[in-house]
Amino acid sequence: GQNIDQPTEMTATEGAIVQINCTYQTSGFNGLFWYQQHAGEAPTFLSYNVLDGLEEKGRFSSFLSRSKGYSYLLLKELQMKDSASYLCAVRGSTNAGKSTFGDGTTLTVKP
Amino acid sequence: GAGVSQSPRYKVAKRGQDVALRCDPISGHVSLFWYQQALGQGPEFLTYFQNEAQLDKSGLPSDRFFAERPEGSVSTLKIQRTQQEDSAVYLCAGGREVYEQYFGPGTRLTVT
Repeated sequence: GQNIDQPTEMTATEGAIVQINCTYQTSGFNGLFWYQQHAGEAPTFLSYNVLDGLEEKGRFSSFLSRSKGYSYLLLKELQMKDSASYLCAVRGSTNAGKSTFGDGTTLTVKP
Repeated sequence: GAGVSQSPRYKVAKRGQDVALRCDPISGHVSLFWYQQALGQGPEFLTYFQNEAQLDKSGLPSDRFFAERPEGSVSTLKIQRTQQEDSAVYLCAGGREVYEQYFGPGTRLTVT
């Protein structure tokens, strides 16, 4: 089976940096996704990591360590509009199309 | 259209009614996924199509749930004899590759 763990809630200040962690236990691994989901809206794609290391994309970066079953999403220069839920999802090796999502981390950015 | 569209956006059904939820993916997107998202939780996988072939339906919670994509484009998720526990947002996602998932706005189903 698949198990995805991420913190339920986080709070940070506008302009600061925040790191959202995700740990996973899966039967096989074919990539890890991060999505942003504003309340009442659909998830939007942020990043996809399949190899170890850091992927940087503007203010957002995502890190993966396959040996540790660990990823983080780093958000820099936080803006109020970054207040949202951040979902970690893992694609396992069996049923290659299927992704298992965590329950999301609700980030609140305060002025 | 520019993105994935779903209809209806909101559906209220009485317990026992059948419902059909539609997904229009982006033209040319081969992969299509259906997810169920309960309030405060992440999306739960229901089923996956590659073109018209349903390659994985392991997430469908019961035989009351049925999905089809007969021509490899539009997909319909049908729920028969709806129950209160079926109340959720149903998300459709598609992409050119299996690892791409562009989500539609979802259909919020409320079963009363």
